[in-house]
Amino acid sequence: GDSVTQMEGPVTLSEEAFLTINCTYTATGYPSLFWYVQYPGEGLQLLLKATKADDKGSNKGFEATYRKETTSFHLEKGSVQVSDSAVYFCALNEDNDMRFGAGTRLTVKP
Amino acid sequence: DSGVTQTPKHLITATGQRVTLRCSPRSGDLSVYWYQQSLDQGLQFLIQYYNGEERAKGNILERFSAQQFPDLHSELNLSSLELGDSALYFCASSPSSGRGTGELFFGEGSRLTVL
Repeated sequence: GDSVTQMEGPVTLSEEAFLTINCTYTATGYPSLFWYVQYPGEGLQLLLKATKADDKGSNKGFEATYRKETTSFHLEKGSVQVSDSAVYFCALNEDNDMRFGAGTRLTVKP
Repeated sequence: DSGVTQTPKHLITATGQRVTLRCSPRSGDLSVYWYQQSLDQGLQFLIQYYNGEERAKGNILERFSAQQFPDLHSELNLSSLELGDSALYFCASSPSSGRGTGELFFGEGSRLTVL
């Protein structure tokens, strides 16, 4: 079945550092891909999404590109802030079957 | 605010007890999903309903059950509670009417503590 694998955390960075969180997927068809973010004490909220190959999703300085050839959807941000500290989940949705990765905890230190 | 409402936000109970968690989806959303998030942060899919009918089932224990009512709100019933059932329980909704590929909208969760 479909699945999502994302890099294990925790990830600790200094403010203004470059962030990459790797995400790869397996799917039988052409899923939509998502990154969700969970801030402390809150529910998950959509950060960005891409619905077809080569699409780039972006929001709040984060971006990810749907790479069909490498079945990847890596999350990047050029300069992280303390407020970006959260848990990040990669996910795919194919035919209304939503699958989440295990989550990566990011801590950004001043 | 995602538009998904979950109650209660916090619940403390004892082993062996039964609790009911409630979820009101976004207006117009027909699909409701339930997830369990344990302390190690992983999200475990429990069950999905679409317009009142069970659509998909994940690793939901037999002690747990759910339903979606005609007004589309959903309840998750957890019985014979064990210490290991302590977790955050999330509800999510989606407007998908069938073979969708869209996003889910999450509530803020119900934190269950079993003592």
